[in-house]
Amino acid sequence: AQTVTQSQPEMSVQEAETVTLSCTYDTSESDYYLFWYKQPPSRQMILVIRQEAYKQQNATENRFSVNFQKAAKSFSLKISDSQLGDAAMYFCAYRRREYGNKLVFGAGTILRVKS
Amino acid sequence: DVKVTQSSRYLVKRTGEKVFLECVQDMDHENMFWYRQDPGLGLRLIYFSYDVKMKEKGDIPEGYSVSREKKERFSLILESASTNQTSMYLCASSPPPGQGRTEAFFGQGTRLTVV
Repeated sequence: AQTVTQSQPEMSVQEAETVTLSCTYDTSESDYYLFWYKQPPSRQMILVIRQEAYKQQNATENRFSVNFQKAAKSFSLKISDSQLGDAAMYFCAYRRREYGNKLVFGAGTILRVKS
Repeated sequence: DVKVTQSSRYLVKRTGEKVFLECVQDMDHENMFWYRQDPGLGLRLIYFSYDVKMKEKGDIPEGYSVSREKKERFSLILESASTNQTSMYLCASSPPPGQGRTEAFFGQGTRLTVV
């Protein structure tokens, strides 16, 4: 079974600085998707960034970028120029490409942003 | 934009009651999911459905059932609510892989308290 591990229950970053959230996963599949979701205090889950396993290039979305290491099964999220609005719970998630398959989530990392 | 709507944001029920949590999505997605979110455990899949009247058990189906009579609606049923089912419940929907966007879209969550 696929598993996703987030080893940092909580992280802190100073406003305007950079922080990296870690995620590792376990799978025997070669074709899959990886995601980072953000859950602010409003509880609404928001997609931050998506990576397709067959793409070697790391995904970027404005201040958010990933370091995807397929052989190491690692998928970290880097947030640059951190803002107060980045404070939230961040979840790493995995999904096989195969039709109908479920999303598997990690336990989450709480990110606190200090002003 | 995709909208996933959960019928209640907060719910308080008594032990032994039958509880219905409703979820509706407006994007004609085949896949729908019910997750339970608990601190330190992330999101755990209860059930998912990849088509009308089709369902599959997730990781923690005990004490729950689901119904999907129409494509847009996916209901979670607690047959006899117990205090250990006090939690946050999140509904999500997604298209099948290969149809453009591959991520799941979430409702705003229902915080259920069983007393």
